[in-house]
Amino acid sequence: DAKTTQPTSMDCAEGRAANLPCNHSTISGNEYVYWYRQIHSQGPQYIIHGLKNNETNEMASLIITEDRKSSTLILPHATLRDTAVYYCIVRVAGTASKLTFGTGTRLQVTL
Amino acid sequence: GAVVSQHPSRVICKSGTSVKIECRSLDFQATTMFWYRQFPKQSLMLMATSNEGSKATYEQGVEKDKFLINHASLTLSTLTVTSAHPEDSSFYICSASPRGTSGGRGTDTQYFGPGTRLTVL
Repeated sequence: DAKTTQPTSMDCAEGRAANLPCNHSTISGNEYVYWYRQIHSQGPQYIIHGLKNNETNEMASLIITEDRKSSTLILPHATLRDTAVYYCIVRVAGTASKLTFGTGTRLQVTL
Repeated sequence: GAVVSQHPSRVICKSGTSVKIECRSLDFQATTMFWYRQFPKQSLMLMATSNEGSKATYEQGVEKDKFLINHASLTLSTLTVTSAHPEDSSFYICSASPRGTSGGRGTDTQYFGPGTRLTVL
């Protein structure tokens, strides 16, 4: 699997948009970009994924650059409950396909 | 969304004993489940891939005789930590992807259990 690089930590004020960047310059054509988050002492939670088009769901939006070498996860109105470690992972499709976790971005949402 | 459960949520055991952790997919079937381990302040590390009806595939450096995996049905995988020692104390997490047609969005997304915290005294 291709590797990703993310900032170690970020802060965001409650109610503001949180924009979390991820670089995946060696991504292959058949690899998707997945985002998960892990709140302290819990299992990771799936957020969103995409191949090349921008995606939006009830939790977040995913913006993937045209060359697919980077992406941004957007939490439109961050709340204190969004404080977590966010992982950007590239992975091929398939139920037997592994997820390889990097160090992620620790997002701290403050009042 | 797909729900994965784990039992127990936390366990404390004495050194030298064995501990079994269950991972269940509650509302879907999973041919493949994954087991991860997470030490404090570190990221998740994949330990093994659990395949229904066949042997698990272990990652490099993970002792298969120490971490026994059984995937007896499409909704249940178990991880047994044999002869546990204090260095095995960790947060163990499983994940699974719903079994279904390929190509559909989200059908191969992995969903994670809540984790099991193991403390070996």
